[in-house]
Amino acid sequence: AIQLTQSPSSLSASVGDRVTITCRASQGINKNLAWYQQKPGKPPNLLIYDASILQSGVPSRFSGSGSGTDFTLTISSLQPADCAVYYCQQFDIYPLTFGGGTKVEI
Amino acid sequence: QVQLQESGPGLVKPSETLSLTCTVSGGSINSGDYYWTWIRQPPGKGLEWIGYIYYSGSTYYNPSLKSRVTISLDTSKNQFSLELTSVTAADTAVYYCVREKLGFSRFFDLWGRGTLVTVSS
Repeated sequence: AIQLTQSPSSLSASVGDRVTITCRASQGINKNLAWYQQKPGKPPNLLIYDASILQSGVPSRFSGSGSGTDFTLTISSLQPADCAVYYCQQFDIYPLTFGGGTKVEI
Repeated sequence: QVQLQESGPGLVKPSETLSLTCTVSGGSINSGDYYWTWIRQPPGKGLEWIGYIYYSGSTYYNPSLKSRVTISLDTSKNQFSLELTSVTAADTAVYYCVREKLGFSRFFDLWGRGTLVTVSS
């Protein structure tokens, strides 16, 4: 199975900061990667698919980039509502797999 | 608006079978546009994909669970179900039923609220 390694596992930043989360795949997955945001007690919510396409309704401060094995999720200006755990997930090969998550705190 | 809702026992004894059902409302499960999926999340931990079923009945399971998992479909009730046999404490988790959108772009676009299943005697 493809392993996805996220870093950092947690981070603390200030409101307005630019935040970057990385996701590295154990083998190339083209652009078949999605990012999700999960808040406590809630299911994950889709932010980005195909590595860089913003899901409808998601604030434009979120962006994604990358292809192959290295991907990033960027929050351009961190807001209090962005406190959550973020997961990357690959759709290239079954079994589908998730990264270990990155907890973002203010 | 399509919604997914998990149902089933919240407590299962070790060595027994975990059984959950997902009811799809506001849309038909009989669609070639989606895989109907189960994903779980142990308390305080990350997400694990369990497997999917297609409207045709075809399935694919995570090899790590394949010997214990069955996903089935009841189109007359617009439901799909998960069975996990010989459970242990390691199977304690929030179980989500999820819709995977198929096509050139694929992603999990719709999630149930999740249901916590605890394995304990």
